[in-house]
Amino acid sequence: EIVLTQSPGTLSLSPGERATLSCRASQSVPNNYLAWYQQKPGQAPRLLIYGASSRTTGIPDRFSGSGSGTDFSLTISRLEPEDFAVYHCQQSGSSPTFGQGTRLEIK
Amino acid sequence: QLQLQESGPGLVKPSETLSLTCSVSGASISNSIYYWSWIRQPPGKGLEWIGSVFHIGGTYYNPSLKSRVTISVDTSNNQFSLDLSSVTAADTALYYCARETASGPVNYWGQGTLVTVSS
Repeated sequence: EIVLTQSPGTLSLSPGERATLSCRASQSVPNNYLAWYQQKPGQAPRLLIYGASSRTTGIPDRFSGSGSGTDFSLTISRLEPEDFAVYHCQQSGSSPTFGQGTRLEIK
Repeated sequence: QLQLQESGPGLVKPSETLSLTCSVSGASISNSIYYWSWIRQPPGKGLEWIGSVFHIGGTYYNPSLKSRVTISVDTSNNQFSLDLSSVTAADTALYYCARETASGPVNYWGQGTLVTVSS
């Protein structure tokens, strides 16, 4: 099983700032099949990024994904108030697993 | 627009079987290149993939749950189902049905249904 570790657990930033979230895999993710989701309270997760760096249709371009192998990151270039949420990474290169999530909160 | 809706009991007794159904509208399961999945989220915790089914019947399960899980598809009613046997309090969670693309990302989710395991 590929274990995904997200850091930090909680990130406190202000609107307008840049956010960088990390997702590290215990072994290389086949085909870089790494996705990022945003989840707001009371809602299902929403797919933001797939294939490590491809943005889903309708996702603003302030969201970007990068990385390969075992180290991946999600960057939000300039935080908007609606971006404060929990972010999950998921690998699907082998039996799918998720990270434990990063909470992005308003400072 | 594709919609998924979970249904089933909200309370299950320990050692019994949790059974949920996902009704799909806006697309036909049988004309699909996608996988139909179950994912759960214990209260206040992260997401856990339970397993997936392809419309012609191929199934893929989380190795840690495999011995207790059955996912099946009913193309005539455009539904798929989850059975999880021998449940304990650790199985208490919000259960989502979802659609996975061929490479794994989940691009459609149901709203989720909370299942509590308690006597």
